[in-house]
Amino acid sequence: GQNIDQPTEMTATEGAIVQINCTYQTSGFNGLFWYQQHAGEAPTFLSYNVLDGLEEKGRFSSFLSRSKGYSYLLLKELQMKDSASYLCAVEGGATNKLIFGTGTLLAVQP
Amino acid sequence: EAQVTQNPRYLITVTGKKLTVTCSQNMNHEYMSWYRQDPGLGLRQIYYSMNVEVTDKGDVPEGYKVSRKEKRNFPLILESPSPNQTSLYFCASSLGTGPGNTIYFGEGSWLTVV
Repeated sequence: GQNIDQPTEMTATEGAIVQINCTYQTSGFNGLFWYQQHAGEAPTFLSYNVLDGLEEKGRFSSFLSRSKGYSYLLLKELQMKDSASYLCAVEGGATNKLIFGTGTLLAVQP
Repeated sequence: EAQVTQNPRYLITVTGKKLTVTCSQNMNHEYMSWYRQDPGLGLRQIYYSMNVEVTDKGDVPEGYKVSRKEKRNFPLILESPSPNQTSLYFCASSLGTGPGNTIYFGEGSWLTVV
């Protein structure tokens, strides 16, 4: 079966660091995406991991452990505009189908 | 500007009245797909297309049709809409289907069926 788990909601303070976890059990794995989605808007690409380890991109970093079926998105120096849903998505199988988690709604407070 | 454009953005319709949501991309992408997004269920794929004249069912295709007559366009057709098709719909495209191909989403279409 296909299963992707993320916390439903998280709250953090402006300027702080927050880690959003994602665990997955899928029938094939080619890579893992993180997308950001502001309320009522389209998801936008944040990061892609295919190998184990940490990928850093400015204030955002994403980590992958394929053996553990685990990833996290790390957001540093939080800003109010980071309040959004963060979607974990696993691509797998012969067609590289993308399976999305239900997303984590992050609220950044002053 | 590279983008995926879908129309209409907002629509309220009645049960049984056929409607089409258009989707167009200007990035010469081969792969296009439709998703619906519902609270607590996340993004679920309805249909996808790997190239012109090639379409296939996603996870929730019931009640929907698609066509891919041209590379840039991928309309979603609801032949007889029902209230359970009330949702936020996203069209998406990517350059190819190999690993790591980033999917680009349209702005979304809010559909209400009464």
